[in-house]
Amino acid sequence: AQSVTQLDSHVSVSEGTPVLLRCNYSSSYSPSLFWYVQHPNKGLQLLLKYTSAATLVKGINGFEAEFKKSETSFHLTKPSAHMSDAAEYFCVVSIFGNEKLTFGTGTRLTIIP
Amino acid sequence: DARVTQTPRHKVTEMGQEVTMRCQPILGHNTVFWYRQTMMQGLELLAYFRNRAPLDDSGMPKDRFSAEMPDATLATLKIQPSEPRDSAVYFCASGLGFVGQDINTEAFFGQGTRLTVV
Repeated sequence: AQSVTQLDSHVSVSEGTPVLLRCNYSSSYSPSLFWYVQHPNKGLQLLLKYTSAATLVKGINGFEAEFKKSETSFHLTKPSAHMSDAAEYFCVVSIFGNEKLTFGTGTRLTIIP
Repeated sequence: DARVTQTPRHKVTEMGQEVTMRCQPILGHNTVFWYRQTMMQGLELLAYFRNRAPLDDSGMPKDRFSAEMPDATLATLKIQPSEPRDSAVYFCASGLGFVGQDINTEAFFGQGTRLTVV
């Protein structure tokens, strides 16, 4: 079985400061890991994905995440927050070779002007 | 611009009525997922299909929910009879699934159907 734990339900940062959204995973097999973003009343959009290639993954809109097997973590970062980054972010895991996605509970990111 | 299309976007219905939600996956995608999002439970997988065959519907209440893929361009999720606790946003997603020996598990989501059962 696989699961993800998003350590913060809500994160607030000032515009122009770094963003850190934390995610820990649990998986019996090689995981594939994803970050999805959901803006209010919108569908989910893929930010980035890790599928056993490079451990540092770059995504859209300046986001990146680092896969750390020793820490079972896949934290999402961005050097400088923008107002348009305000949204709900989901860490997602699947077992490599299995299409089923297991979602975390989400982290709501608020950007302070 | 390829995208997953869901209809209707919003649905308000009375308890006991039948509700049908439709999804058009991205052309060429062979896996289709139905997810439900609520404040209490977050995002839950209800069912998924590969090449139109149901692979897993363990997340779906069998007594009232049914999911089908009549053809490769249409997936449906039906609730009969509907109950207030079914109020949620229902997302459809599609993906490429297996490509040769590899699997591409990226899923592309539709905008969702917001269902309110009163």
